[in-house]
Amino acid sequence: EAGVTQFPSHSVIEKGQTVTLRCDPISGHDNLYWYRRVMGKEIKFLLHFVKESKQDESGMPNNRFLAERTGGTYSTLKVQPAELEDSGVYFCASSPPRIITEAFFGQGTRLTVV
Amino acid sequence: AQSVAQPEDQVNVAEGNPLTVKCTYSVSGNPYLFWYVQYPNRGLQFLLKYITGDNLVKGSYGFEAEFNKSQTSFHLKKPSALVSDSALYFCAVRLLSGYSTLTFGKGTMLLVSP
Repeated sequence: EAGVTQFPSHSVIEKGQTVTLRCDPISGHDNLYWYRRVMGKEIKFLLHFVKESKQDESGMPNNRFLAERTGGTYSTLKVQPAELEDSGVYFCASSPPRIITEAFFGQGTRLTVV
Repeated sequence: AQSVAQPEDQVNVAEGNPLTVKCTYSVSGNPYLFWYVQYPNRGLQFLLKYITGDNLVKGSYGFEAEFNKSQTSFHLKKPSALVSDSALYFCAVRLLSGYSTLTFGKGTMLLVSP
């Protein structure tokens, strides 16, 4: 079974540009999460989808961040325009529906804004 | 609000010696506790979890963790460390019920010397 897959693995962009991160969850996992780790800090929650609906987006830092999950399958996280403080590792995770279980994480996308 | 504290930025241990990585948590309700590990250039990998029952839980690669409700702790342990255990370890907590998101600690780097 394929795990959670994230694209790209690395991205270096200039301040003011736009970047789109993609996450493909494990098939059948209704729950999809985005997290971010800024260098040396905690892994912070950004957003939680249940299927295509946003269950909780309380962690989204500001309106420069837009997450979508069309059709309840893969998800994208767009940052527009990117700022220096957006640099970090963005993790995606998924988990099965209505089961108390661990979340399965992707390898992360390392975003560097210069 | 939920929180996790990992008081040590780094833990150094010699191969063959026992290791402990500390974690304390705060949550308003029954906790659901996890340890994840991140090897270099890899994603977060699930190690073990505590839901209810026996306070000592066993996980992957010979790791175990002890849940202590009175001390609100969930320390990660291994009787005999391997050099290959060197990695970044994250403790996480969520509420047992409902749509509760994971709250992570800042991580502890474990370095096992030969």
